[in-house]
Amino acid sequence: DIQLTQSPSFLSASVGDRVTITCRASQGISSYLAWYQQKPGKAPKLLIYAASTLQSGVPSRFSGSGSGTEFTLTISSLQPEDFATYYCQQLNSYPRPRITFGPGTKVDIK
Amino acid sequence: QVQLVQSGAEVKKPGASVKVSCKASGYTFTGYYMHWVRQAPGQGLEWMGWINPNSGGTNYAQKFQGRVTMTRDTSISTAYMELSRLRSDDTAVYYCARPPAPSLVYYFDYWGQGTLVTVSS
Repeated sequence: DIQLTQSPSFLSASVGDRVTITCRASQGISSYLAWYQQKPGKAPKLLIYAASTLQSGVPSRFSGSGSGTEFTLTISSLQPEDFATYYCQQLNSYPRPRITFGPGTKVDIK
Repeated sequence: QVQLVQSGAEVKKPGASVKVSCKASGYTFTGYYMHWVRQAPGQGLEWMGWINPNSGGTNYAQKFQGRVTMTRDTSISTAYMELSRLRSDDTAVYYCARPPAPSLVYYFDYWGQGTLVTVSS
């Protein structure tokens, strides 16, 4: 099975900072990658799908890039409501569709 | 508006089974796959599988093969996830989740509120 790793696992930042989170896959996954934001006690929220497509309603300060095995989520100017845990998620289609999540990156207030 | 409303919290003994429901509204139930994702306390997200409500076809994560059964009742727009032979490490919040569009099968945009399943003797 394809494994996902995220770095860093924990990030301390200030409002207004530019933040970048990396997700690496153990094998190439083309562009089948999504990013989610989760706040405590809440269901995750879809931010980005297909590696770089911004989900409707998500602020434009969020962006995604990458393909193959390395992907990034960037928050251009961190806002107070962005402090949360972020997960990447991939689809592996062979031999049967399988979905896995990365371990998460917690973004905390400095 | 799209809503996924799940059944309430459950407490089960090891070895028992649990069946969680997810009632959909605000869209055509048979038009979108339904996924199940779980999250153990303080841990990350784990995909369990999906059901195609139109055909009833399923695809389960290998880890849960033989223990999970996903079904649906189209007459009441409800999906079900049953997990058997429960262990203490099955204690988690279980979510149903729907893709953002019929063609974007493998992403999750709408989520249920979650159902806490506690497995304890």
